[in-house]
Amino acid sequence: AQSVAQPEDQVNVAEGNPLTVKCTYSVSGNPYLFWYVQYPNRGLQFLLKYITGDNLVKGSYGFEAEFNKSQTSFHLKKPSALVSDSALYFCAVRGDGNYQLIWGAGTKLIIKP
Amino acid sequence: GAGVSQSPSNKVTEKGKDVELRCDPISGHTALYWYRQRLGQGLEFLIYFQGNSAPDKSGLPSDRFSAERTGESVSTLTIQRTQQEDSAVYLCASSSTGVPGAVAYNEQFFGPGTRLTVL
Repeated sequence: AQSVAQPEDQVNVAEGNPLTVKCTYSVSGNPYLFWYVQYPNRGLQFLLKYITGDNLVKGSYGFEAEFNKSQTSFHLKKPSALVSDSALYFCAVRGDGNYQLIWGAGTKLIIKP
Repeated sequence: GAGVSQSPSNKVTEKGKDVELRCDPISGHTALYWYRQRLGQGLEFLIYFQGNSAPDKSGLPSDRFSAERTGESVSTLTIQRTQQEDSAVYLCASSSTGVPGAVAYNEQFFGPGTRLTVL
């Protein structure tokens, strides 16, 4: 069965420090991986995706994610956190030929000044 | 161009009433999804439309829920005889399919959602 795990309900980071939001997945065939962000009272926004190619994917707002096939992970990272990065982050995955996204439960990221 | 729009933004209804939620996808997007997001939780898939193909209704929680889509445009999600557990934010998303088989590659664009409160 396909699944996505975001093991941390909440991540707290001081402004200016690097941040990591973890995601692991289980899918049959090649994985197509996505990160979305949900700001308070706003819709979900696409951040970045991994389809194929370079394992390090760069996305919006200075975020990047690293695909690790052996660890079946797709952790979201940013070198220097901003208070404005505080939001809810969702990881999602599809398998080959599958249109349905499987979503993680979300991780609340809190950046403290 | 305009993004995905949903209406109403908020809906308060009494238990037992029917409600209809609307989604206008991005023009040209053939794929349309409905999700439910309960407070503090992740996204729960409800239904998927792709062009003129039969929709995937596998996520609808009960027969009180139904959805329609006219061609590749507007979609409506209807909840009959609403219950308090139906209270949630209902999100609509659309995506393009590009070349055949590429639907898996394409990100979804989300509307702002409809917050449904059943009293």
